[in-house]
Amino acid sequence: QKEVEQDPGPLSVPEGAIVSLNCTYSNSAFQYFMWYRQYSRKGPELLMYTYSSGNKEDGRFTAQVDKSSKYISLFIRDSQPSDSATYLCAAGGGGGADGLTFGKGTHLIIQP
Amino acid sequence: DAGITQSPRYKITETGRQVTLMCHQTWSHSYMFWYRQDLGHGLRLIYYSAAADITDKGEVPDGYVVSRSKTENFPLTLESATRSQTSVYFCASRGLTGQYFGPGTRLTVT
Repeated sequence: QKEVEQDPGPLSVPEGAIVSLNCTYSNSAFQYFMWYRQYSRKGPELLMYTYSSGNKEDGRFTAQVDKSSKYISLFIRDSQPSDSATYLCAAGGGGGADGLTFGKGTHLIIQP
Repeated sequence: DAGITQSPRYKITETGRQVTLMCHQTWSHSYMFWYRQDLGHGLRLIYYSAAADITDKGEVPDGYVVSRSKTENFPLTLESATRSQTSVYFCASRGLTGQYFGPGTRLTVT
């Protein structure tokens, strides 16, 4: 079982809707969490970085981390067609290799 | 331009050949990473480096070699390329506000 699980989708929503993207993880030692957006044939683009539990907001994006349930969420308000992409969650600081462990990504489609 | 650059962006090579992928960052970040991205597996860590001359293995290091003589450069070498190494390779560096990725190198081994 992969340490970070993410529903691959696709997730299709109408423009203007609130999008909820979620991941679960199994390694209780993970300390920091990130969300990335990846367009086709591009590199991952960092959207949100959260250390430990709590919420973080940046414009239309809100990241939530609940370490008690090992649950990570990203909310996108007022979704736009340009938000259509693959969203990757990642966790780190769990000991061992000092890199990120990624979910496989959720493909999001915003319908105009 | 500031950030991370990778070269080449596309590479086709033959089985058994040695290939080096280059990575350069302008932020002076201590930590640098190499990942590969494959359908069905997502992004997986190959090697990472905590500083110049300090490197360590990640999840899938077999068949790869890294070096880091300067803080800003972190090349990845495939010593004898195999078809299973056909993938998209991403370099990243970590700062105080997160880990940042380069544009990737798309490698095909024939």
